Amino acid sequence: GAVVSQHPSRVICKSGTSVKIECRSLDFQATTMFWYRQFPKQSLMLMATSNEGSKATYEQGVEKDKFLINHASLTLSTLTVTSAHPEDSSFYICSGITGVNYGYTFGSGTRLTVV
Amino acid sequence: RKEVEQDPGPFNVPEGATVAFNCTYSNSASQSFFWYRQDCRKEPKLLMSVYSSGNEDGRFTAQLNRASQYISLLIRDSKLSDSATYLCVVNKGGGADGLTFGKGTHLIIQP
Repeated sequence: GAVVSQHPSRVICKSGTSVKIECRSLDFQATTMFWYRQFPKQSLMLMATSNEGSKATYEQGVEKDKFLINHASLTLSTLTVTSAHPEDSSFYICSGITGVNYGYTFGSGTRLTVV
Repeated sequence: RKEVEQDPGPFNVPEGATVAFNCTYSNSASQSFFWYRQDCRKEPKLLMSVYSSGNEDGRFTAQLNRASQYISLLIRDSKLSDSATYLCVVNKGGGADGLTFGKGTHLIIQP
């Protein structure tokens, strides 16, 4: 079946630094990639939607200048958390979709801790 | 009203019992409906899609009522391995839209 490889699985960084999270679709072309985050004891919340070759669409309340999304190819999307702060500590997870059957395939998630 | 509301948990049930989860959603434009399970600190995994006609997969049965915007999941003969958080999920609109997740219901199966 379709697989999305997400790295890193866990990262601890200092406040003020930037962190890049990568998601690769291994055996399908992800025309669309969704980025979610999940705070403890909360539901996954959609942050942004990116389509290959175009700018990402951000959900209300998500700062586009803080969460930079790049989807330069059909197999790679990245999320960069810029100038991370402790309140950005969360579980970030991507989900690839192929236009063929609209199946959603999730990455394994990245647990970000900002200290 | 929250976009997707689920029964609050946790549900503690003995092994072999039948468990029912309920969910309501507010976006009438939603076209796709799912149940996912999420184990602690892991990514959600698709349990099953939900169709208006109702569908069954082994011990799991899902129902959808579009008129009342209600989704259910029934687990029969529960196993210890069924312990997880069950997420009711709908897509935000039509086609290739992002997903809206419920907060989840934590299920604990006791031996």
